[in-house]
Amino acid sequence: DAKTTQPPSMDCAEGRAANLPCNHSTISGNEYVYWYRQIHSQGPQYIIHGLKNNETNEMASLIITEDRKSSTLILPHATLRDTAVYYCIVRPWYSGGGADGLTFGKGTHLIIQP
Amino acid sequence: DGGITQSPKYLFRKEGQNVTLSCEQNLNHDAMYWYRQDPGQGLRLIYYSQIVNDFQKGDIAEGYSVSREKKESFPLTVTSAQKNPTAFYLCASTPRGGGPRTEAFFGQGTRLTVV
Repeated sequence: DAKTTQPPSMDCAEGRAANLPCNHSTISGNEYVYWYRQIHSQGPQYIIHGLKNNETNEMASLIITEDRKSSTLILPHATLRDTAVYYCIVRPWYSGGGADGLTFGKGTHLIIQP
Repeated sequence: DGGITQSPKYLFRKEGQNVTLSCEQNLNHDAMYWYRQDPGQGLRLIYYSQIVNDFQKGDIAEGYSVSREKKESFPLTVTSAQKNPTAFYLCASTPRGGGPRTEAFFGQGTRLTVV
């Protein structure tokens, strides 16, 4: 089972900020939060990841709560091309050994409205 | 450019035939993964490999087989034992061990249709 919970779908107006929540209440101390998005019929694309501090890159910002049990991905100025399924996953920052299978849930289908 | 390549993009097979999907990466990643995605669903893990000549079953391994003879290649065979093979198949890779870049890279997928 996925370690994260996300709403199945969200709408956002073009040009506005899209805020996508993710709950990961059982996250371990060595696990990062990763976000990916998948445009229809393509492979998922990495967006951003973080451990406990807020992170920002050219695509998005990631806000992680102090207790690390939830996070929010922010797309500051959503465009129609941001319509996609967004996946939040948690995994150790290192891989190797054990059952590190990169588990994905169903994600959030974000629809940007013109 | 470094990346992960899946081929072919579309594949048609008759029921009862085995078919092998290709996945190649030139990212020097140790770990590779195969996922299956059905319409409106998330990614389900079929098999993964952390190192050459070793692989583990994921959540839905029945009816599938893999090999990992080379670091850069992780082919997936969909056998006739797979009851519902028609799906979108995704391959991914990640570096093994720590480091600044630990995110997974995905191929563009192979859409398999069995008729």
